[in-house]
Amino acid sequence: DQQVKQNSPSLSVQEGRISILNCDYTNSMFDYFLWYKKYPAEGPTFLISISSIKDKNEDGRFTVFLNKSAKHLSLHIVPSQPGDSAVYFCAASARSNTGKLIFGQGTTLQVKP
Amino acid sequence: DAGITQSPRHKVTETGTPVTLRCHQTENHRYMYWYRQDPGHGLRLIHYSYGVKDTDKGEVSDGYSVSRSKTEDFLLTLESATSSQTSVYFCAISEGRGLGKNEQFFGPGTRLTVL
Repeated sequence: DQQVKQNSPSLSVQEGRISILNCDYTNSMFDYFLWYKKYPAEGPTFLISISSIKDKNEDGRFTVFLNKSAKHLSLHIVPSQPGDSAVYFCAASARSNTGKLIFGQGTTLQVKP
Repeated sequence: DAGITQSPRHKVTETGTPVTLRCHQTENHRYMYWYRQDPGHGLRLIHYSYGVKDTDKGEVSDGYSVSRSKTEDFLLTLESATSSQTSVYFCAISEGRGLGKNEQFFGPGTRLTVL
């Protein structure tokens, strides 16, 4: 039972355009959401997070939107750069859950020059 | 970068042999985690620790055991390796629960191949 789903395995965008990565979750107890970025042969690195008390969080070119009623979050990257090409994982946690994260399957983003 | 190292970085072993992977941190973080990454599955939690000698199971714990005798070290043991345990293993650390503390920081990974 996949509690966090990233339904698009891959996404290709042109440099300078917007990249939108999507994530859906099923567990209404989740109250904190994170995005990680992973390059080949490296560990995932934390990118941005959002608490369930907010619906938007922005950090430079990266913005995460949370729609609690739809149990959906998205990561927007504007403008996209070739160095953004990586696998992106969304993750969710519940306050009661000793900080455990549940990850989605990942979306591979390719930004073409 | 958070001070997390994993050893070995690569290992090839045979079915039925025991294998121990080590995670070492220099951040003095309370929580430590072991994940495996497989195509189509993302990252799945194997075991985690919320303090010295305090550990609990994750979603894919069968065939794995862990130990944490010091804050800085978290060991993952495959008692008798099987081909289904061929994977990339990541260790992660976090300060703990609470806003701003849930972020986990990952090590570089260990690629394990079981023949």
